[in-house]
Amino acid sequence: NAGVTQTPKFRVLKTGQSMTLLCAQDMNHEYMYWYRQDPGMGLRLIHYSVGEGTTAKGEVPDGYNVSRLKKQNFLLGLESAAPSQTSVYFCASSPRRDYTDTQYFGPGTRLTVL
Amino acid sequence: SQQGEEDPQALSIQEGENATMNCSYKTSINNLQWYRQNSGRGLVHLILIRSNEREKHSGRLRVTLDTSKKSSSLLITASRAADTASYFCATETNRDDKIIFGKGTRLHILP
Repeated sequence: NAGVTQTPKFRVLKTGQSMTLLCAQDMNHEYMYWYRQDPGMGLRLIHYSVGEGTTAKGEVPDGYNVSRLKKQNFLLGLESAAPSQTSVYFCASSPRRDYTDTQYFGPGTRLTVL
Repeated sequence: SQQGEEDPQALSIQEGENATMNCSYKTSINNLQWYRQNSGRGLVHLILIRSNEREKHSGRLRVTLDTSKKSSSLLITASRAADTASYFCATETNRDDKIIFGKGTRLHILP
C-alpha cells in the first residue's frame, strides 16, 4: 500500500494563477483532510470530507475549494493564488472508527506564491 | 482559536534524559492524540488516549490525560538522537468531526 500520496511535491505560482493539489489514499478511508502548515502556526485545517461526495469547511477555508468525487481522492483548488497562501500543504485520511481514529498523513506539498 | 496548545514551544535535552511536553485544551474532547513530525516530513501518529483513560504507554512513550485540568503530557524516556522532531497534540471534540492540532513542541536531543 502506498498510503497517502500527494502531487505535486513542490510548486511555484505567480499571484492570480490557479492550481489543484491532488491527494490520494489506498486504505479505503472514509475521512480526508487538507491542512496548511506555516512557521509557528502548527497545522490549520482548511477543508475536510466525511465521505465521497461530501465536503466541509475547516478553520481557514477562504481562498480554497475542494472536491471528493471519488472516495480515494481529495482535491484542493486555489482559484486565484495569493502570497498569503505560500505554505506547506498536508493531506491526511482516517478510517473513522469511533474513539480510535488516527490520521495518516501524506508527505506534503510545498507551495510558493510569488 | 487554537484548541490545543503545547508547552514548551522548544526543548533541548541531552541524549539519555527524559523529555516531557504538555498540551492544554479548551473544550471537552473524545480523545487526544500525539503526533511526531520530522523535519520536512508529514506527521506520524504516536499514541491516542481516550477521554475515559488517564494514562497510556507505548514503548518509551507515556501519555497522561487529566480531563479536569484539560491537559495532557507526553513523556519520552531515555531520549535518543532520532527523537529530534516536532511533537503535536491533536484533539477531537465531541461537537464535530474535526481534529484540531496545536502549534507543536520542537524537541532537540543533544549528543
